[in-house]
Amino acid sequence: QVQLVQSGAEVKRPGSSVKVSCKASGGIFSNYAFSWVRQAPGQGLEWMGAIIPLINKADYVQKFQGRLTITADESTTTAYMELSSLRSEDTAMYFCGARYGSDNYYILAFWGQGTQVTVSS
Amino acid sequence: EVVMTQFPATLSVSPGETATLSCRASQSVSRNVVWYQKKPGQAPRLLISRASTRATGIPVRFSGSGSGTDFTLTISSLQSEDFAVYYCQQCNNWPPTFGQGTRLEVK
Repeated sequence: QVQLVQSGAEVKRPGSSVKVSCKASGGIFSNYAFSWVRQAPGQGLEWMGAIIPLINKADYVQKFQGRLTITADESTTTAYMELSSLRSEDTAMYFCGARYGSDNYYILAFWGQGTQVTVSS
Repeated sequence: EVVMTQFPATLSVSPGETATLSCRASQSVSRNVVWYQKKPGQAPRLLISRASTRATGIPVRFSGSGSGTDFTLTISSLQSEDFAVYYCQQCNNWPPTFGQGTRLEVK
């Protein structure tokens, strides 16, 4: 049973960074592909980036290039999303999603519970 | 990037009836379209992949169709728990992109 558990809510100052974790259980880590998706208040879903642990390859949506770092640690079966230079517009619920198995990397069958990130001075 | 456009933005349907949601891609994405259900305070839930394949545990009243640029999610015999926001997403090109969502509400 694949399960993703995310870290808790964060409140950050503008200009700072936030790092959100997503711990995976119930499967072989190399079979995962993780993506990060966010939803700002009253808005739709927005893809941020993804990582394929098997080949240690991360890709980022251009909007987030230079501010976003996605990593994965096989020893702790955890994926991480770090967003820097935070601004108020980054206030959102951040979700990790995962593909497990051999399907398309970007079909997210499994999801974490979400992490609320609030950016406020 | 591929733009996904969903319509209508809001759909009002009575319980027991059928809802038809549409999604159009700005270029062909073959059959690489996914549908999710999103409720407030919950993570998205995968409903349909590859345009028409129901995910594990999804009731048969949910069905998807389409290929190329035009896709449809049909929900028959609407139940109370089906009223939510639905998103299509293409996974054919990087970056994956979502539509803006269709809110399905009780008529």
